[in-house]
Amino acid sequence: DVKVTQSSRYLVKRTGEKVFLECVQDMDHENMFWYRQDPGLGLRLIYFSYDVKMKEKGDIPEGYSVSREKKERFSLILESASTNQTSMYLCASRTGTSGNTGELFFGEGSRLTVL
Amino acid sequence: AQKVTQAQTEISVVEKEDVTLDCVYETRDTTYYLFWYKQPPSGELVFLIRRNSFDEQNEISGRYSWNFQKSTSSFNFTITASQVVDSAVYFCALSEARRGAQKLVFGQGTRLTINP
Repeated sequence: DVKVTQSSRYLVKRTGEKVFLECVQDMDHENMFWYRQDPGLGLRLIYFSYDVKMKEKGDIPEGYSVSREKKERFSLILESASTNQTSMYLCASRTGTSGNTGELFFGEGSRLTVL
Repeated sequence: AQKVTQAQTEISVVEKEDVTLDCVYETRDTTYYLFWYKQPPSGELVFLIRRNSFDEQNEISGRYSWNFQKSTSSFNFTITASQVVDSAVYFCALSEARRGAQKLVFGQGTRLTINP
């Protein structure tokens, strides 16, 4: 059974803290993605990675960075959390061999609250 | 730039009614892919369907059907004889068809509530 696992379902952090959101997939997928989901805005892409140590900015990368040291793990980093980063964060992965035709597999999401 | 619009923010119907979720997209590409995902209350998005831009045939899967019309840039989703378990947020998405890892652009989502 394919699986994308996000390390924390719920986090509460304070403004200015450094936050790590971890995502692990067990499907040997090349592509991994981080989205944030906000009411009325749908899912917006923050960053994605098509290979180990490779990353590309999505639509809203400001305030975020990512790390992909191993194929199965894709981390989202908030260097200094702010209240406007309170959101649901969704990780997804996809095989790269089928290009853009493959479906995304999503984790259950990490709901981050920044106080 | 690519864009997906789901104008219906929320829909509420009574069980067994048919319901259609609208999706309108914008892209300059001639080759692209369209998707529908379901997000139940548990939070994990579940893939429902993928269509490529060259295939305009409608598709039916059980109570679900999809109507793809390039002329109106629409990819609508119909649930027939809705059930309470269909309650979820539904997302329409669009992807370019180029080499490399291309992003999926999502619509705003439609929250569907099926009342018993």
